[in-house]
Amino acid sequence: SQQGEEDPQALSIQEGENATMNCSYKTSINNLQWYRQNSGRGLVHLILIRSNEREKHSGRLRVTLDTSKKSSSLLITASRAADTASYFCAHEKGGSEKLVFGKGTKLTVNP
Amino acid sequence: EADIYQTPRYLVIGTGKKITLECSQTMGHDKMYWYQQDPGMELHLIHYSYGVNSTEKGDLSSESTVSRIRTEHFPLTLESARPSHTSQYLCASSFRGRGRNEKLFFGSGTQLSVL
Repeated sequence: SQQGEEDPQALSIQEGENATMNCSYKTSINNLQWYRQNSGRGLVHLILIRSNEREKHSGRLRVTLDTSKKSSSLLITASRAADTASYFCAHEKGGSEKLVFGKGTKLTVNP
Repeated sequence: EADIYQTPRYLVIGTGKKITLECSQTMGHDKMYWYQQDPGMELHLIHYSYGVNSTEKGDLSSESTVSRIRTEHFPLTLESARPSHTSQYLCASSFRGRGRNEKLFFGSGTQLSVL
């Protein structure tokens, strides 16, 4: 499959804990993106990391990219109940400009 | 703030009806996409467009069709809806930055139920 794979499929943590989600892909990429989706809604872009970057931060989010392992991770620090959502990684499909999404990680942050 | 709109938000129709899902964006984006997503599942690209009069099929075979007559408008049509078409349909758009994908802006989606 050309699509990314997130791991784990589901994650349940307590408020204040950190949440780490992983994404693997199979093709060469120009960039990799992370999105968030609240139940029944559209996706919201969180962060984009380019292939020549290894780490990027945005607020409580930290994304890493290892192109040699074709993998990326999203870390949410000091999680809040409002972070409860599904998180997806996305990348181009095999040199095309089509953006494909992984299956997502469903994160539940318990108050 | 994303300026991309989908209507209707929810649609319940009977089998055999023709429907059009509307998607409009006011950001002047070249690229627009339609994704199909079942509850709790991944997104599947069904159609995309790089600009006016440009439309391509995505990875998931779909009986729907699209058109791109104006930059801001990318409607999706089902000539004869069936229960298997029940799903959430998400529209998205982006700039075409140097031939590479930039971030997507998504609409709120249309939840279609075909009885």
